[in-house]
Amino acid sequence: KAGVTQTPRYLIKTRGQQVTLSCSPISGHRSVSWYQQTPGQGLQFLFEYFSETQRNKGNFPGRFSGRQFSNSRSEMNVSTLELGDSALYLCASSLDSGSGVSSYNEQFFGPGTRLTVL
Amino acid sequence: TQLLEQSPQFLSIQEGENLTVYCNSSSVFSSLQWYRQEPGEGPVLLVTVVTGGEVKKLKRLTFQFGDARKDSSLHITAAQTGDTGLYLCAGAGSSNTGKLIFGQGTTLQVKP
Repeated sequence: KAGVTQTPRYLIKTRGQQVTLSCSPISGHRSVSWYQQTPGQGLQFLFEYFSETQRNKGNFPGRFSGRQFSNSRSEMNVSTLELGDSALYLCASSLDSGSGVSSYNEQFFGPGTRLTVL
Repeated sequence: TQLLEQSPQFLSIQEGENLTVYCNSSSVFSSLQWYRQEPGEGPVLLVTVVTGGEVKKLKRLTFQFGDARKDSSLHITAAQTGDTGLYLCAGAGSSNTGKLIFGQGTTLQVKP
């Protein structure tokens, strides 16, 4: 079974621009979460989508947004980029059937998109 | 706000030594995961613990979940150079949520 894929792997942007990152979850996984990883703050939760709806949201400004499509693929968008947005953005998928049976929150991560803002 | 304190942040040891990494919180978690991450890659799930007092073993790695489900530890016996990497603990406040709270990570270097 193919793992989580993220595109692009590397991205260089300048301040003020916007960027869209893409994530394809493991087949059958309906939950997709996004995280930001920086040396200073570690891994921080951005948001989670399940069945095309945002189910959880972290403490990030409104410049960070996302969406999920009917095939569970997800995108996240960052508008008006700032230098501090330079980070590794990780997508993770989880098997959540929505039936109430716990998936024990096991998340499977993609390789990440390295975003550099100049 | 749920926080996970992970210690130590850095560990440099010789091959063959034992080590323990700790993950502590004042909050209760429904489950706790340990991941290992290598440079340029995403974290890879090592184990999930869900029951207070649970102990799981993965070859030379032993994971323990505290009785109160607020803390966890990872013990590596006879470390090998291949164990080098960033170890992360992550807790979930409730089941069936994609929101994980991560510790700051422990960078482990195992020297030959």
